[in-house]
Amino acid sequence: DSGVTQTPKHLITATGQRVTLRCSPRSGDLSVYWYQQSLDQGLQFLIQYYNGEERAKGNILERFSAQQFPDLHSELNLSSLELGDSALYFCASSVGDRVGTGELFFGEGSRLTVL
Amino acid sequence: AQKVTQAQTEISVVEKEDVTLDCVYETRDTTYYLFWYKQPPSGELVFLIRRNSFDEQNEISGRYSWNFQKSTSSFNFTITASQVVDSAVYFCALSEAGSGGYQKVTFGTGTKLQVIP
Repeated sequence: DSGVTQTPKHLITATGQRVTLRCSPRSGDLSVYWYQQSLDQGLQFLIQYYNGEERAKGNILERFSAQQFPDLHSELNLSSLELGDSALYFCASSVGDRVGTGELFFGEGSRLTVL
Repeated sequence: AQKVTQAQTEISVVEKEDVTLDCVYETRDTTYYLFWYKQPPSGELVFLIRRNSFDEQNEISGRYSWNFQKSTSSFNFTITASQVVDSAVYFCALSEAGSGGYQKVTFGTGTKLQVIP
């Protein structure tokens, strides 16, 4: 158990819909990272928040947005869903804002299926 | 731009055999970190090791060992006397300083290891 909690574990929805994925980081971790794992793209970095502020952005689509709340939990919002958005979405956390100073602890992922 | 290549897509070995998973990386930074993660069939990503660019010492942890060679930009992972529980997808990853000093992690495409009893 990494200490990172993600909900829901599985989600099935239809194209055009909007979903919210939630992540609670490990106790004491201030950074939250979102990754997308799809069969054809591998693990892709989406976005990082540190103590409520956006710190780094990767290949995140404009239809996607995220935020980190004062209690440090984070939400990833996916809208106007397309079939290609079907993937495993991982949340990870770390103590600081610099990944190299410590490992990322990953949650179990949220599997999104868009029909 | 940083890049991680895991050329081996899938490997099958018989239990108790040794197996090496290859990882080659590209980066322009002199300071960077390399990682290995394991993703068992259950799906979660499990941290195995972190190595910074200034430490080329090989590391051994039980049946696992890592060979970091900056001259060839490689960070290979060897499992000795493989076991069925080692069956998983293994990811090599690289992080370097991004804009503003914050670091992004780039993952390789993973190597699926199947250990046959």
